[in-house]
Amino acid sequence: SQQGEEDPQALSIQEGENATMNCSYKTSINNLQWYRQNSGRGLVHLILIRSNEREKHSGRLRVTLDTSKKSSSLLITASRAADTASYFCATDIIQGAQKLVFGQGTRLTINP
Amino acid sequence: EPEVTQTPSHQVTQMGQEVILRCVPISNHLYFYWYRQILGQKVEFLVSFYNNEISEKSEIFDDQFSVERPDGSNFTLKIRSTKLEDSAMYFCASSGQGYYGYTFGSGTRLTVV
Repeated sequence: SQQGEEDPQALSIQEGENATMNCSYKTSINNLQWYRQNSGRGLVHLILIRSNEREKHSGRLRVTLDTSKKSSSLLITASRAADTASYFCATDIIQGAQKLVFGQGTRLTINP
Repeated sequence: EPEVTQTPSHQVTQMGQEVILRCVPISNHLYFYWYRQILGQKVEFLVSFYNNEISEKSEIFDDQFSVERPDGSNFTLKIRSTKLEDSAMYFCASSGQGYYGYTFGSGTRLTVV
């Protein structure tokens, strides 16, 4: 598998439910970031978690990082229709200059 | 909130033509990047730029690509002789000292016909 793989690839839930997306990676990282992309639009930075952090919160978002398992999860609580988008994890790897390696993304659909 | 601005939002060009995609990064940022996303695929790193030179580039960033920071505000990506497979969304991004994440522009959709 490649660096920064999300699962599931697609997730459809009812409004109000929680959505959990997972990301796995292979190499050592400086940090891991989550981005949202509405269809055909730009990337919006949601949250960054550093390699020495285990959990981080931002509003309805909760991100965890397990460096021993090389995995991260993004939890969106009390989902809203406006949360419908693709969500990508991106790893800032420890190798040379800064660059992000993106996963394939999870397509989240919130049904009203 | 500061933004990264990209122009144009959409460009259609003939195969073999040169295109220049423009970006205005956040003014006090020091690191600049180009990424691209082919329709339906993941976002791929192209190049990073720091201190007026390329700091890293991917295999995609071959001799047909070049970047430039012609003045204190603009950051451009030039594709010298476009191919059909260059059709993609191109994203510019910047980040600052201390590094609290990237700010991406809204992208330029390039269509090569």
